[in-house]
Amino acid sequence: QITLKESGPTLVKPTQTLTLTCTFSGFSLSTSEVGVGWIRQPPGKALEWLGLIYWDDNKRYSRSLKSRLTITKDTSKSQVVLTMTNMGPVDTATYYCAHRRPDSSWFRYYFDYWGQGTLVTVSS
Amino acid sequence: QSALTQPASVSGSPGQSITISCTGTSTDVGGYNYVSWYQQHPGKAPKLMIYDVTNRPSGVSNRFSGSKSGNTASLAISGLQAEDEADYYCSSYSSSITVIFGGGTKLTVL
Repeated sequence: QITLKESGPTLVKPTQTLTLTCTFSGFSLSTSEVGVGWIRQPPGKALEWLGLIYWDDNKRYSRSLKSRLTITKDTSKSQVVLTMTNMGPVDTATYYCAHRRPDSSWFRYYFDYWGQGTLVTVSS
Repeated sequence: QSALTQPASVSGSPGQSITISCTGTSTDVGGYNYVSWYQQHPGKAPKLMIYDVTNRPSGVSNRFSGSKSGNTASLAISGLQAEDEADYYCSSYSSSITVIFGGGTKLTVL
């Protein structure tokens, strides 16, 4: 059974750096074609894709946020870490990590298991 | 383009059928058959309902179906049930930004 859970601060101040950890079970990020993505959702608004890390450490980032994002993995701990710099009020959102449905195609970004999400508020 | 275009809301009565559209461009929906749909109930994480335009993951009811014509993808739900009331999001591979979501559609079962 695949599960994922996000953890990290619920409140960050403007200009600070956000670090969120996704701890997962039921799969290994060393297995071919596996990936873990990050998606966020501002309150009452739509989903926004942030980025993804693959089993082979390749990464893909949202073009609009690329300069602020870093995604890393610790395979031994079954964790993926999202870092987002220079946080602002517009970054207030629920942040989800999700398991990418394994596929050999680099074009298929389907998320079949999701964490419960963690609400991050940016405020001074 | 920041988001695929979906109607803000749709509604239907139990037992009826509805369709939700998702319009993009030739750099996303129209250019690739990598469209997916997610269902999200209030306060819950999204659930994958359709992938590769028409395919259903195991466990998803066959009342849900997907299609695509040109730059527009569609999600159809037949035999509406109260439990179908949720927000629905489309998503597509995009050659410009990798993954793009729609603005979301709120489905109300009357």
